[in-house]
Amino acid sequence: DQQVKQNSPSLSVQEGRISILNCDYTNSMFDYFLWYKKYPAEGPTFLISISSIKDKNEDGRFTVFLNKSAKHLSLHIVPSQPGDSAVYFCAASARNYGGSQGNLIFGKGTKLSVKP
Amino acid sequence: DVKVTQSSRYLVKRTGEKVFLECVQDMDHENMFWYRQDPGLGLRLIYFSYDVKMKEKGDIPEGYSVSREKKERFSLILESASTNQTSMYLCASSLGFRGGYTFGSGTRLTVV
Repeated sequence: DQQVKQNSPSLSVQEGRISILNCDYTNSMFDYFLWYKKYPAEGPTFLISISSIKDKNEDGRFTVFLNKSAKHLSLHIVPSQPGDSAVYFCAASARNYGGSQGNLIFGKGTKLSVKP
Repeated sequence: DVKVTQSSRYLVKRTGEKVFLECVQDMDHENMFWYRQDPGLGLRLIYFSYDVKMKEKGDIPEGYSVSREKKERFSLILESASTNQTSMYLCASSLGFRGGYTFGSGTRLTVV
């Protein structure tokens, strides 16, 4: 049973346009959400996070939106650049509950391709 | 710059061999994790550890064991490597449960 779902395995976007990556979750205890970016043959690197007390967090070209009622979050990249081409993983945790519930649960990833 | 270092980027091993994957972090993190990444399956948790000599099974522990004798080092052991263990293995660490993970660069293991 997947608690974190990324339903689009891949996404292709033109350079300069907006990329929108989506993530859905089922566990209402999740209170912290992160996005990681992974290039081939490298480990994932942290991109941006959001706490459940917020509905938006912005960092440069990257914005994460959280809709708690829909149990949905999205990552917006504006403008998209060819260097953004990578696999993006959504992750969630119930960090305020402690113990192993604070472990990150990852989605299966979305491969973003930004075409010049 | 804080780091999680995995000892090998690429490994080729034979079926039946005992394989050790080493991971060292220099951030004094309590928690360490081993994942494998496979196309279409995302990141799957193999084992994790919250403290020295402590270990907990993740989602896919079968065929693997771990060792954490020192806080900074977390080793993944494939007791008898099989071809279905060919994968990218990722080590991560975290400080408590209130933040994200820092990942190593990964080890691409091929079992022939």
